[in-house]
Amino acid sequence: QQPVQSPQAVILREGEDAVINCSSSKALYSVHWYRQKHGEAPVFLMILLKGGEQKGHEKISASFNEKKQQSSLYLTASQLSYSGTYFCGTEQGSGGSNYKLTFGKGTLLTVNP
Amino acid sequence: NAGVMQNPRHLVRRRGQEARLRCSPMKGHSHVYWYRQLPEEGLKFMVYLQKENIIDESGMPKERFSAEFPKEGPSILRIQQVVRGDSAAYFCASSRYRGEVNTEAFFGQGTRLTVV
Repeated sequence: QQPVQSPQAVILREGEDAVINCSSSKALYSVHWYRQKHGEAPVFLMILLKGGEQKGHEKISASFNEKKQQSSLYLTASQLSYSGTYFCGTEQGSGGSNYKLTFGKGTLLTVNP
Repeated sequence: NAGVMQNPRHLVRRRGQEARLRCSPMKGHSHVYWYRQLPEEGLKFMVYLQKENIIDESGMPKERFSAEFPKEGPSILRIQQVVRGDSAAYFCASSRYRGEVNTEAFFGQGTRLTVV
């Protein structure tokens, strides 16, 4: 089941904040966030494994609400280098060792000077 | 520690030919995923493999497409009798066994397949 991302696209000025949401209709084991620049491979940002977990990496952080089956990616004080397409990947299931990692359609983030 | 290696980076095939895409996972990774990406679109899941096993191939077309991950050597995505609609970027990702920590998946640079 493909997760749903919103918004589809967002345009920011340098220094502004943005939130990207990812939701699923099924129970999630984990949520993965990636950023892909045009013509390049997706680059891993962070993984969230537990309900209610939050993680941060410099000015990019994320939360995972297991009960709501949702995750949000927070970008604060955006920089030009943040531009790209952000994908959330979700693993569904409740146990075991095999999980299919399925991605949303992506959110195109453009940061202008 | 080398990352996920895919080759070739670019592949041009005539309609009706076969395309073979290779993916060597990161050292210590036993799970491999293949995704297809069309321009300006998302990553579409194709197949999930472990060594010598196909775990989930629900995203792969039933005809002309096959994938393997042998005990030795890289994972191979094979497309027989290619058609123009097969033109896309094909990405491979690998991750560790689920029972360990740090199970994030890392992507290779992709193979851009062009069918002429």
